[in-house]
Amino acid sequence: EVQLLESGGGLAQPGGSLRLSCAASGFTFSKYGMSWVRQAPGKGLEWVSALRSSGDDTFYADSVKGRFTISRDNSKDMLYLQMNSLRADDTAVYYCARGNTMADTRPDCWGQGTLVTVPS
Amino acid sequence: QTVVTQEPSFSVSPGGTVTLTCGLTSGSVSTSHYPSWYQQTPGQAPRTVIYNTNTRSSGVPDRFFGFILGNKAALTITGAQAEDESDYYCILFVGGGNWVFGGGTKLTVL
Repeated sequence: EVQLLESGGGLAQPGGSLRLSCAASGFTFSKYGMSWVRQAPGKGLEWVSALRSSGDDTFYADSVKGRFTISRDNSKDMLYLQMNSLRADDTAVYYCARGNTMADTRPDCWGQGTLVTVPS
Repeated sequence: QTVVTQEPSFSVSPGGTVTLTCGLTSGSVSTSHYPSWYQQTPGQAPRTVIYNTNTRSSGVPDRFFGFILGNKAALTITGAQAEDESDYYCILFVGGGNWVFGGGTKLTVL
């Protein structure tokens, strides 16, 4: 069974940083693209970032480009999202999601999410 | 900036059929956008319903159909059941490795 467990959320000050982690199990992590998706309270889903199985190709939404960095450690089955220069509009539940193949980063299987709060 | 459009809300009677759509403010949706659909109930993580236009995800009932309808992607639910009452989101691949979600449709079954 695919399991994705996010951690690292919490309260961060504007301009501050947080690092989210996602522990993967139940599948061969190194063979799948991965992504982060967020959902602000009461709002819709927003695709944030993705990377392919090797980690060499990374992609970002314009809203986080230059502030967030996605990475992975295939030896530890871990996905990360380093979030810098945090703003109030980054407040959201952040979901880790597995893609469909090595290159397909479309969110397919989802974790339960971790809440990030940045006060205004 | 690419904007993906969805109906904000829709209502269907139990046993009825409803079609939700997913469009672009500029241009047409095609299979090259690999449209996919997600179902989300309050407090839960999203669940993939349809991917790559028309492929049902594992465990999804066969009353869910995805297809291209004119210049939009569409999700039809036939024989709607109370458990289908959820928020539905589409996502489109817009190139450069990027994906964009629609704003979501709140489906009510009553």
